[in-house]
Amino acid sequence: GAVVSQHPSWVICKSGTSVKIECRSLDFQATTMFWYRQFPKQSLMLMATSNEGSKATYEQGVEKDKFLINHASLTLSTLTVTSAHPEDSSFYICSARVGTGGRYSQPQHFGDGTRLSIL
Amino acid sequence: AQTVTQSQPEMSVQEAETVTLSCTYDTSENNYYLFWYKQPPSRQMILVIRQEAYKQQNATENRFSVNFQKAAKSFSLKISDSQLGDTAMYFCAFRSGGSNYKLTFGKGTLLTVNP
Repeated sequence: GAVVSQHPSWVICKSGTSVKIECRSLDFQATTMFWYRQFPKQSLMLMATSNEGSKATYEQGVEKDKFLINHASLTLSTLTVTSAHPEDSSFYICSARVGTGGRYSQPQHFGDGTRLSIL
Repeated sequence: AQTVTQSQPEMSVQEAETVTLSCTYDTSENNYYLFWYKQPPSRQMILVIRQEAYKQQNATENRFSVNFQKAAKSFSLKISDSQLGDTAMYFCAFRSGGSNYKLTFGKGTLLTVNP
């Protein structure tokens, strides 16, 4: 149980294009999903918290207009990197929290990540 | 803001031996959660073990156990009978109690298990 699917796993595209990454919870409903960015040999940095049916909450320093997040259903959140440039190349990982309400101890479960390469 | 420190960027251990990865954190909260995640070369983040701060008993999951010292704000991971498949980056993570589910990660420790 608690499977999170992320698609695509790897994408290469030209500078200036927009890229959409999907994050799905396959066997549970995820009220909250998280988007992380990871540079090579570094830790995960939280970009934003995605809440179903409402606007995402972005971390300080993350451009809202650059990284568009949509969480239209309880099983799907999308991250769109708009007008991507080489400096946006990175590994993007989503996670989803199992459980709602008082189940505060439930951990996050992660997708397999998306390697984004902008030429 | 909470911080998580992993002071060992790299470690190595021989197969079948025991290794301990260290993690310290800083918080003013009394209720929180701590996690160890494993990231193998495939880059998938895998939950290894978790600990609720209000529990005094150290968590154990098969070959993985923690030494949770709340007063010292220390949360080390012990891997017994190390296996080649344990080779990975290990991240310590902190999460506040209550409804804030954000995770704060340490910088990670690269563990290599040698045959």
